[in-house]
Amino acid sequence: DQQVKQNSPSLSVQEGRISILNCDYTNSMFDYFLWYKKYPAEGPTFLISISSIKDKNEDGRFTVFLNKSAKHLSLHIVPSQPGDSAVYFCAASSSTNAGKSTFGDGTTLTVKP
Amino acid sequence: NAGVTQTPKFRVLKTGQSMTLLCAQDMNHEYMYWYRQDPGMGLRLIHYSVGEGTTAKGEVPDGYNVSRLKKQNFLLGLESAAPSQTSVYFCASSRRDSTGELFFGEGSRLTVL
Repeated sequence: DQQVKQNSPSLSVQEGRISILNCDYTNSMFDYFLWYKKYPAEGPTFLISISSIKDKNEDGRFTVFLNKSAKHLSLHIVPSQPGDSAVYFCAASSSTNAGKSTFGDGTTLTVKP
Repeated sequence: NAGVTQTPKFRVLKTGQSMTLLCAQDMNHEYMYWYRQDPGMGLRLIHYSVGEGTTAKGEVPDGYNVSRLKKQNFLLGLESAAPSQTSVYFCASSRRDSTGELFFGEGSRLTVL
């Protein structure tokens, strides 16, 4: 049973528009949620995170929203830029579980100029 | 600042051969992890370590062994490689007090023929 799901394998948006990437989880023990960005032939890099005690966290063009009742989070990128084209992984962890993170399958974002 | 370094970056093995992947981090992190990523899938945890001399199984540990003799190094071994172990392997590290943020290496691409 996949505990973290990203149901959209790919997303294409126009430069300057908003990109919205979605993620669902099933395990109620998760209390920290993270987004990673991955370029080809590189390792994932941390982008933004949110604690379960919050419903929104913003960092520049990136905002993550958490809906605990729906077990759903989303990453908003505004405005989208061609350099944002990458694979985005949603991950979830529990503070009681040695920092182990469970990852979704990723969403490939393409931002067209 | 090197961060997390993985060697080798690429390797081709024949079925039944053995090899070791080396991960080194210079951030004095307590926790270290080995993940594998297969096409269209997220990262799956193989083994992890919460400190020097300690290791534990992750989600997909079969066919792999690990050792953490020094705090800065985490080795992943394949005793008898199988084609199903063809994958990209990522090492990651984090602080003990981290809420999940992982620092990844660039990955090691392994092909088993």
